[in-house]
Amino acid sequence: KAGVTQTPRYLIKTRGQQVTLSCSPISGHRSVSWYQQTPGQGLQFLFEYFSETQRNKGNFPGRFSGRQFSNSRSEMNVSTLELGDSALYLCASSSLAGVSYEQYFGPGTRLTVT
Amino acid sequence: AQRVTQPEKLLSVFKGAPVELKCNYSYSGSPELFWYVQYSRQRLQLLLRHISRESIKGFTADLNKGETSFHLKKPFAQEEDSAMYYCALRMDSSYKLIFGSGTRLLVRP
Repeated sequence: KAGVTQTPRYLIKTRGQQVTLSCSPISGHRSVSWYQQTPGQGLQFLFEYFSETQRNKGNFPGRFSGRQFSNSRSEMNVSTLELGDSALYLCASSSLAGVSYEQYFGPGTRLTVT
Repeated sequence: AQRVTQPEKLLSVFKGAPVELKCNYSYSGSPELFWYVQYSRQRLQLLLRHISRESIKGFTADLNKGETSFHLKKPFAQEEDSAMYYCALRMDSSYKLIFGSGTRLLVRP
């Protein structure tokens, strides 16, 4: 099976702009999670979607939003970008099958806000 | 608040030496613990989980609920073990992971 894919891989935006990142999960996986990774804060959970519904949300401002489509693909949007939003954004998918919860991560989108 | 602590940012050992990467968590419910690894220029991937009680690439980790720890151990480190290691906590069947800040393991020849 193909792994989790994320597009674009790199992005440069200016403060105040908005950005949309895309994630395609592994075929058959219906759960998609998003994380922000920065040198200072490490890996922080943003939100998780399952069957087009957001089930969990992390402690991020409302400028961060997401959605999931019927084919399980997911997008996250950040509006009114701030310098502090510069980070690697990771997407992970899970089949939720079996006893344990295993997440498969994508390569990430590196967002730089100038 | 729930938290995962990895006290060492960098752990440097020589090839063949034992390795222990520390992980402590704070959570009073039923935790599920994982170790993830990120090799250079590769994506984050699951190394092992406490539920499976498995040994992967010679690494083992035992959940100690009394000490709220999930330390990762390997008796003889190899150069190819050099990577970033993250401990992660899943709480009570929730669908999110709380990660520690990570430990960079450097195995010297």
